[in-house]
Amino acid sequence: NAGVTQTPKFRILKIGQSMTLQCTQDMNHNYMYWYRQDPGMGLKLIYYSVGAGITDKGEVPNGYNVSRSTTEDFPLRLELAAPSQTSVYFCASCSDGAGAQPQHFGDGTRLSIL
Amino acid sequence: DQQVKQNSPSLSVQEGRISILNCDYTNSMFDYFLWYKKYPAEGPTFLISISSIKDKNEDGRFTVFLNKSAKHLSLHIVPSQPGDSAVYFCAARPYNQGGKLIFGQGTELSVKP
Repeated sequence: NAGVTQTPKFRILKIGQSMTLQCTQDMNHNYMYWYRQDPGMGLKLIYYSVGAGITDKGEVPNGYNVSRSTTEDFPLRLELAAPSQTSVYFCASCSDGAGAQPQHFGDGTRLSIL
Repeated sequence: DQQVKQNSPSLSVQEGRISILNCDYTNSMFDYFLWYKKYPAEGPTFLISISSIKDKNEDGRFTVFLNKSAKHLSLHIVPSQPGDSAVYFCAARPYNQGGKLIFGQGTELSVKP
């Protein structure tokens, strides 16, 4: 049972480059989330999705885009990488956004923009 | 505007003793509070949660207490073990907002043998 899988684990980008962080889950969860964690800080929500075809902005969406064409996948796109986007990115999923079920997290993608 | 705060960046405890991690929040519109544990190079792992209508929830060595009037919750670990050494995040879930979580900054717990 893989849970939430994120790829790649590490990546170094140059300023202005683009990339897509991949996230897939095999638990048939409708709810999926992208967070970023900066050093010494908690996780901040970038985007989330309550089901295929539905996405919404979180607290820090600027510079990012998402899509949700299937239940399993929730990729995060950086269009023009900036040093401020250097962070660790976590994807999470949940079966029920209103009940007692917790979010399950992937192991993260460590991204450096140089 | 930090809605969820963990004011202690670190905590050191002797093995076998109690660890108490604290969390404060400023918004009353949360329906669940959760604690996550995080090891280096791994994602956060769910530990325990509490509904806003409860004041205590217990799971083995872990107990969470919620004081709504003080807008404060705490996680008690008894007895503490070296394997409990990790960063602990408090998180709050706003009512009816797609299940998203608002996290505190984290507290790094070190349990000494």
